[in-house]
Amino acid sequence: QSVLTQPPSVSAAPGQKVTISCSGSGSNIGNNYVSWYQQLPGTAPKLLIYDNDKRPSGIPDRFSGSKSGTSATLGIAGLQTGDEADYYCAAWDNSLNSGVVFGGGTKLAVL
Amino acid sequence: QITLKESGPTVVKPTQTLTLTCSFSGFSVLTIGEGVGWVRQPPGKALEWLGFIFWDDDKRYRPFLKNRLAITKGTSRHQVVLTMTNVEPADTATYFCAHRRTGDAFDVWGPGTLVTVSS
Repeated sequence: QSVLTQPPSVSAAPGQKVTISCSGSGSNIGNNYVSWYQQLPGTAPKLLIYDNDKRPSGIPDRFSGSKSGTSATLGIAGLQTGDEADYYCAAWDNSLNSGVVFGGGTKLAVL
Repeated sequence: QITLKESGPTVVKPTQTLTLTCSFSGFSVLTIGEGVGWVRQPPGKALEWLGFIFWDDDKRYRPFLKNRLAITKGTSRHQVVLTMTNVEPADTATYFCAHRRTGDAFDVWGPGTLVTVSS
């Protein structure tokens, strides 16, 4: 059971937009930055979004991040078949069991 | 350009100690502000943060593994070492090291190394 809650899967057609939610609490998302990662099959995770809504250089603006209260959202526009991957959110947690917490991951299918 | 790579045994017996080395280039773990983290991923499961080490030797560990984990700087300013004692089959996972940027995000990852705990 992950501290951050993500839907197990989402799907959309090529060219469409999809959003992936990440729900937490005041001890993590509510008071800390959220980051998002893309993990293609058999590869290491890749940073897509940091500090809630910033993209590292080289990440296309099709990827966007937002945060409101204790939830965060990753948006992917103009879906491509190459976007099929697992997506993870993460944030620092300030509770007694402090540390970086990840979501359970969301598998994106581009149908 | 920052790159990282993990190295160590692929198979470890239960109760033994696992030692993994993260070798990197493009930054020094002695430079103010720098940090390296470890993350693992059991087969078919989600990512799981293990810990950080920072330029000033400050360390943070996953609470439930705190008594079994140690992250130290290696023999050079371009190495970090993860040690996990008393391993068990549940520790079977791909272990990644990653460069930590501000906001506790990992902006560059190593390719990962699969460690199997089995007798």
